Amino acid sequence: DIVMTQSPVSLPVTPGESASISCTSSQSLLHSNGNNYLDWYVQKPGQSPQVLIYLGSKRASGVPDRFRGSGSGTDFTLKISRVEAEDVGDYYCMQGLQTPPTFGQGTKVEIK
Amino acid sequence: VQLVQSGAEVKKPGESLKISCKGSGYNFPIFWIGWVRQMPGKGLEWVGIIYPSDSDTRYSPSFQGRVTISVDISISTAYLQWSSLTASDTATYYCVRHYIVWLGILTPYNMDVWGQGTTVTVSS
Repeated sequence: DIVMTQSPVSLPVTPGESASISCTSSQSLLHSNGNNYLDWYVQKPGQSPQVLIYLGSKRASGVPDRFRGSGSGTDFTLKISRVEAEDVGDYYCMQGLQTPPTFGQGTKVEIK
Repeated sequence: VQLVQSGAEVKKPGESLKISCKGSGYNFPIFWIGWVRQMPGKGLEWVGIIYPSDSDTRYSPSFQGRVTISVDISISTAYLQWSSLTASDTATYYCVRHYIVWLGILTPYNMDVWGQGTTVTVSS
């Protein structure tokens, strides 16, 4: 299985500032079709997870443009600009290039 | 568009269980449905997926032989079942609508709709 590694594990952020989460895969997620099969999900407290970013950089429907996914191959970043209180939660990256899809261990974003 | 799951379950080790996930608001037969496990206080694990139109099913090796995924297309409902539960099955299970692309192999990505989760507790 492809191993996904996220950092940091915990990320305290001041409202209005930016936050970045790193995700590294044990194998390249870039397919010859040009797509990176890397998604980002957030699980807010007490809720089901929801997709934020798919194919490395495409924002899902309804996701604010404060969320930006970038990277290619084995190294990816989720950047949250102007963090708001509602952004607290556990953030997960997931690779979909190989079955089974595998998730990073999660990054807990909290407000300072 | 939504996925509505069955309610919480409390079972004893060795018992069987079948939980459900009903899709609505979209063309149920043509979207893959998957299941994701979250053990208490832990991260997300992919269990498997099914294509409602033909019941093509794929499992994570970690769950192969331990669970069964099925579907009843007539009522737009997918299922996850166990024949003999153990304490390690205690978790919340989410059903998801899954995008798939065929790149020589099945490539699942973008779980764009999630159910509310079904909490399964197995305890003697």
